[in-house]
Amino acid sequence: NAGVMQNPRHLVRRRGQEARLRCSPMKGHSHVYWYRQLPEEGLKFMVYLQKENIIDESGMPKERFSAEFPKEGPSILRIQQVVRGDSAAYFCASSPIGTGDSPLHFGNGTRLTVT
Amino acid sequence: DQQVKQNSPSLSVQEGRISILNCDYTNSMFDYFLWYKKYPAEGPTFLISISSIKDKNEDGRFTVFLNKSAKHLSLHIVPSQPGDSAVYFCAASARVNYGGSQGNLIFGKGTKLSVKP
Repeated sequence: NAGVMQNPRHLVRRRGQEARLRCSPMKGHSHVYWYRQLPEEGLKFMVYLQKENIIDESGMPKERFSAEFPKEGPSILRIQQVVRGDSAAYFCASSPIGTGDSPLHFGNGTRLTVT
Repeated sequence: DQQVKQNSPSLSVQEGRISILNCDYTNSMFDYFLWYKKYPAEGPTFLISISSIKDKNEDGRFTVFLNKSAKHLSLHIVPSQPGDSAVYFCAASARVNYGGSQGNLIFGKGTKLSVKP
């Protein structure tokens, strides 16, 4: 998993607070993907971004969740007014541009706990 | 509605024997399939992939087989080693929806493999 950097590794928030999760893709990768894993579940797609552009946000909850990948800096997944059900592991992945046969490379995740 | 299914939550195998992990899918638009391995508290690590134009891909001890008519793929690990003990996820993508790039990967729920010495 070297290369895709996520921070923080662990994040504890009280209900109603905001959570910000950061992801720096591998060098040379301009596509970023966010996934969420609930206990005993597989990874669920949330959003797919390129620099300054959201390509597919079909997996994002309609409210409280947003994502960005600015021209400079990491991609940010933002969860406003967190609830207990948001507690999960959030994984970021990256890939190079336009390489259909290149697998996604994942970071080690941010484990969000909402108390 | 699960588009990618791994029906065995766990599998136990003796060291040196073959491990066979299975995966079924329902979406005929999927054209790229991958296996990832995951240790606790780490992110998934890519193992091996196969395009829908092939029926087999091999990389060292790992071989993936694809049966498109049955919408089934399997991962064979031979010989199995204790270090292979992890959760294995099957994933699929319909690259045509993203102009050829990988886009949205759909994951199964995983199979926990235990390789006993």
